Amino acid sequence: DGGITQSPKYLFRKEGQNVTLSCEQNLNHDAMYWYRQDPGQGLRLIYYSQIVNDFQKGDIAEGYSVSREKKESFPLTVTSAQKNPTAFYLCASSTAGTATDTQYFGPGTRLTVL
Amino acid sequence: AQSVTQLGSHVSVSEGALVLLRCNYSSSVPPYLFWYVQYPNQGLQLLLKYTSAATLVKGINGFEAEFKKSETSFHLTKPSAHMSDAAEYFCAVTMKDTGRRALTFGSGTRLQVQP
Repeated sequence: DGGITQSPKYLFRKEGQNVTLSCEQNLNHDAMYWYRQDPGQGLRLIYYSQIVNDFQKGDIAEGYSVSREKKESFPLTVTSAQKNPTAFYLCASSTAGTATDTQYFGPGTRLTVL
Repeated sequence: AQSVTQLGSHVSVSEGALVLLRCNYSSSVPPYLFWYVQYPNQGLQLLLKYTSAATLVKGINGFEAEFKKSETSFHLTKPSAHMSDAAEYFCAVTMKDTGRRALTFGSGTRLQVQP
């Protein structure tokens, strides 16, 4: 079955730690995205990538970093510089990253800072 | 800059009643509009999208939405609610002819269906 997988489902971080959230897709999509979801605020874009080895900052990139070394993988690192990282993180992908493309979402990772 | 506003963070209907979830957009150029549904602790699933073809768009699970340029709206409707429709619904927008391809989301509307 084609789809997007995110791991882990739940993640706990101590203050000052960096953590990496995994996102893998086998849909052969060129574009991938990371969104953060907080209650009552909808989803906000962290980073996106339209092609391997290239990515752009979204609306709330501070305290996050990404890489896109392979087409199927787009990991997100939450660094210690992110002051309020507790949230639900969603990864998405689309075919070519055009404005009409449907974005397909993974099941999400819930990150909690202890 | 583009944005969407969803009126009503919570909507409650009875099973079998009409579902109406409101979405208004703000943009300086013609938008593309999407409705997504999210069940608890899950990712988002596309219900339907408007890409400047027909203004009345039919989606999955009996939902439909009508693009009204004069009202800058893209409200989501379903004639008869089912218990399984209880979820959170997000309206989102993208714009053609811009470098940005990612979605801009509204804040969401949680739909509750009463038996």
